Amino acid sequence: NAGVMQNPRHLVRRRGQEARLRCSPMKGHSHVYWYRQLPEEGLKFMVYLQKENIIDESGMPKERFSAEFPKEGPSILRIQQVVRGDSAAYFCASSPSGTGENTIYFGEGSWLTVV
Amino acid sequence: AQSVSQHNHHVILSEAASLELGCNYSYGGTVNLFWYVQYPGQHLQLLLKYFSGDPLVKGIKGFEAEFIKSKFSFNLRKPSVQWSDTAEYFCAVSHMGTGKLIFGQGTTLQVKP
Repeated sequence: NAGVMQNPRHLVRRRGQEARLRCSPMKGHSHVYWYRQLPEEGLKFMVYLQKENIIDESGMPKERFSAEFPKEGPSILRIQQVVRGDSAAYFCASSPSGTGENTIYFGEGSWLTVV
Repeated sequence: AQSVSQHNHHVILSEAASLELGCNYSYGGTVNLFWYVQYPGQHLQLLLKYFSGDPLVKGIKGFEAEFIKSKFSFNLRKPSVQWSDTAEYFCAVSHMGTGKLIFGQGTTLQVKP
C-alpha cells in the first residue's frame, strides 16, 4: 500500500516563475493537508482539502498561493511568481476522514528552492 | 487559538541517557495528541498518538508519552536513547478534533555515541 506520494522531491525555480507541487494521498484517503516547513522552524498548516472542496485555507498566504484537489488526480499546490522567501519544504499529508481520530500520514516532502 | 509549545529546542545526550521532551498545548476541549519524528532529509513519521483511554501511550522504537490533562502536557520519554534517535521531534495537537494539526516548533535531539 503506497504511502503519500509527493513530487517533485526537489524543485528549483527562479524568482517570478511558477511552482507546482503534487500530492497523491494514500489509497482510500480523501482528505489532504498541506504544510510548509521553513528553515529552522516547525511545520505550519496551510490548507485542508477534500475532493473538489477547500475546507480550511486559513494558513494560506493571501496572494500567489492556491491549492486544489480535483475529482481525479493528485492535489496540487501552486505558487505563482515565486520569491526567495517561498524556499521551504512543503509536506502533504492525508487521512481517511476529517476527524482528529485518524492518524495523519505524511509524504516525503517537496523541497522548493528559489534562486 | 490553539498552540503547542515545546520547551527544549536543542537537546544533546550521550547514548544510554534517558530522554524527556516537554510539550504543552493550549486548548480546553477534547484533544488528540501526536508525536512525530523527522530524520534528516526525511518525512515525518508517527511515533505515537493519544486519542483517549490510558494516558500513558507507548509508541514505536521504545518511545512513550504521558498525557496529563491537568497540566495540558504530553511529554515524550525514552529510558535509554541510541545514536540512531538523532532527529527532530515534533509534538502536535489536532485542531478542534479535526485532522488539521497544530505543531510545536520542534526539538532537535543529538545523541552522541
